Amino acid sequence: DSGVTQTPKHLITATGQRVTLRCSPRSGDLSVYWYQQSLDQGLQFLIQYYNGEERAKGNILERFSAQQFPDLHSELNLSSLELGDSALYFCASSVEGGVAGGTYNEQFFGPGTRLTVL
Amino acid sequence: AQTVTQSQPEMSVQEAETVTLSCTYDTSESDYYLFWYKQPPSRQMILVIRQEAYKQQNATENRFSVNFQKAAKSFSLKISDSQLGDAAMYFCAYRSAEHTGTASKLTFGTGTRLQVTL
Repeated sequence: DSGVTQTPKHLITATGQRVTLRCSPRSGDLSVYWYQQSLDQGLQFLIQYYNGEERAKGNILERFSAQQFPDLHSELNLSSLELGDSALYFCASSVEGGVAGGTYNEQFFGPGTRLTVL
Repeated sequence: AQTVTQSQPEMSVQEAETVTLSCTYDTSESDYYLFWYKQPPSRQMILVIRQEAYKQQNATENRFSVNFQKAAKSFSLKISDSQLGDAAMYFCAYRSAEHTGTASKLTFGTGTRLQVTL
């Protein structure tokens, strides 16, 4: 158990719908990362938040958005869903994530949310 | 941009034998981290081993060791005394040692599926 929790575990929805995926980081971790694992694109970075602020963006579609709340949990919102959005969505957390320096901080992964768009 | 390449989609090893998974990467940075993650059928992402680029000594974790060749940009994983529980997808990943912008993200290879036979 990594200490990162994600809900729900599974989500089945229809095209055009909107869903929200939730992530609670490990206690004390300030950074949250979202990754998408799909058959077509492999594992790719979507977005990172650090202490409530967006820190970095990867290959995240405009239909997708995220936020990190004061209690540090994060939500990934996916709208106007398409068949190709079906994937496993991982959240990871680490202690840091935006401060210049040379300290390594491991990213701990949650169990993922399996999204199926029909 | 950094890229990670795993050229072996599938590998097979007999129980108690040794297997080596290959990974190459491309980067213009001099300081970075390299990782091997294991993803068993449960889909959980598990960190197997980590290597800091500034360290010449190859990392070792019990039965897992790496062969890090910085000049060749090669980072292979050796699993000794393979066990049935080692069967999984293995992902090689890169992370910049700089801590600004997207530097904290992990960039993954496409994975190698390891089968362990009796």
